[in-house]
Amino acid sequence: DAKTTQPPSMDCAEGRAANLPCNHSTISGNEYVYWYRQIHSQGPQYIIHGLKNNETNEMASLIITEDRKSSTLILPHATLRDTAVYYCIVRDNYGQNFVFGPGTRLSVLP
Amino acid sequence: DAGVIQSPRHEVTEMGQEVTLRCKPISGHDYLFWYRQTMMRGLELLIYFNNNVPIDDSGMPEDRFSAKMPNASFSTLKIQPSEPRDSAVYFCASSLYEISYNEQFFGPGTRLTVL
Repeated sequence: DAKTTQPPSMDCAEGRAANLPCNHSTISGNEYVYWYRQIHSQGPQYIIHGLKNNETNEMASLIITEDRKSSTLILPHATLRDTAVYYCIVRDNYGQNFVFGPGTRLSVLP
Repeated sequence: DAGVIQSPRHEVTEMGQEVTLRCKPISGHDYLFWYRQTMMRGLELLIYFNNNVPIDDSGMPEDRFSAKMPNASFSTLKIQPSEPRDSAVYFCASSLYEISYNEQFFGPGTRLTVL
């Protein structure tokens, strides 16, 4: 059963911020939100994860709502190389496997 | 580090033949995962190992699939006999519990075509 829902596709202009939403209304208290992306013909790549606080790293920012039922991945200045499928995954800290849904196909347009 | 290494990168075989996919995880990592990706089913976990021991193989589709990890630096995924529906990209990933628990490092994948 899917724990997350994401829009199937999104477009973003190069240089603009890309905001990718994810709904996880059934998330439990010990589950983290993870984001991975998969650039065409490559293996998935970890981006960021968080529990309830907003997180930022060199790649992106993760904004989690106060009720934790949804989150947004933000790529502050999207480039053509950010064109990829982005996966939002929820998982507790005891599990090892990630369950990948269909994700959001982000197209960054020149 | 060279990252996760998979071989071959491409494999074309005929139905009924045995196929062996190989993976070398990142040195020092204690978890190894095998995934399969198809257009219809997306990215699916097949099996994962911890310290060379299989932990969860519930994703292995059927008895034709088997996976081994004889040592910390090598794993194989074998399909015998292969069928056209096994055509997919197979990814291997590894992680290290203590340091990169939350991050799995994926290899480039093996694209398998069964004719």
